[in-house]
Amino acid sequence: AQSVAQPEDQVNVAEGNPLTVKCTYSVSGNPYLFWYVQYPNRGLQFLLKYITGDNLVKGSYGFEAEFNKSQTSFHLKKPSALVSDSALYFCAVRDMTGGYQKVTFGTGTKLQVIP
Amino acid sequence: DTEVTQTPKHLVMGMTNKKSLKCEQHMGHRAMYWYKQKAKKPPELMFVYSYEKLSINESVPSRFSPECPNSSLLNLHLHALQPEDSALYLCASSQEPGSNTGELFFGEGSRLTVL
Repeated sequence: AQSVAQPEDQVNVAEGNPLTVKCTYSVSGNPYLFWYVQYPNRGLQFLLKYITGDNLVKGSYGFEAEFNKSQTSFHLKKPSALVSDSALYFCAVRDMTGGYQKVTFGTGTKLQVIP
Repeated sequence: DTEVTQTPKHLVMGMTNKKSLKCEQHMGHRAMYWYKQKAKKPPELMFVYSYEKLSINESVPSRFSPECPNSSLLNLHLHALQPEDSALYLCASSQEPGSNTGELFFGEGSRLTVL
């Protein structure tokens, strides 16, 4: 089965500093990887995805992610953190079960940006 | 229109009540999902509908009964729930079920409290 792991429950970063939220994956075949963000008491919002092609994927709100096949990682990055980036971030992997799409989420990483 | 709308936003029910959660999307998506999310945990898949037919049931107890009346609507009927069923219930949709695009569009969720 496909899975993703987020090794950090929480990441703290000062406003204006670069941020990284880590994700590693375990898949058979080609990986289809996603990042979602969840603000308190809200639904999840799609940030970006890796399907194929360029290893550096750019997404919403200035976020990007680097796909690294040799390290089986898909870390989320942003050059300069904003206080408003404070939220819960989920890495996810797409799986096909019986021909139907299923998305499985990592355990989530809480990002705290300190003013 | 890129929204998934869920009603009600909050629901409090007793263990003997019957209630329903509703979800609507007008993006022409043909896959719709119910997820359950406990506090500070990732969403857990409950059901997947593809072309209005139930394609995945993640061994969900029968006290949860999904229904997809048409391609835009998804309901979750609730009966004889337990306090441990209290959670945020998220509806999501995506394009063609077998597509490689894969990203989910989430509603804001319905926060359910079972007394």
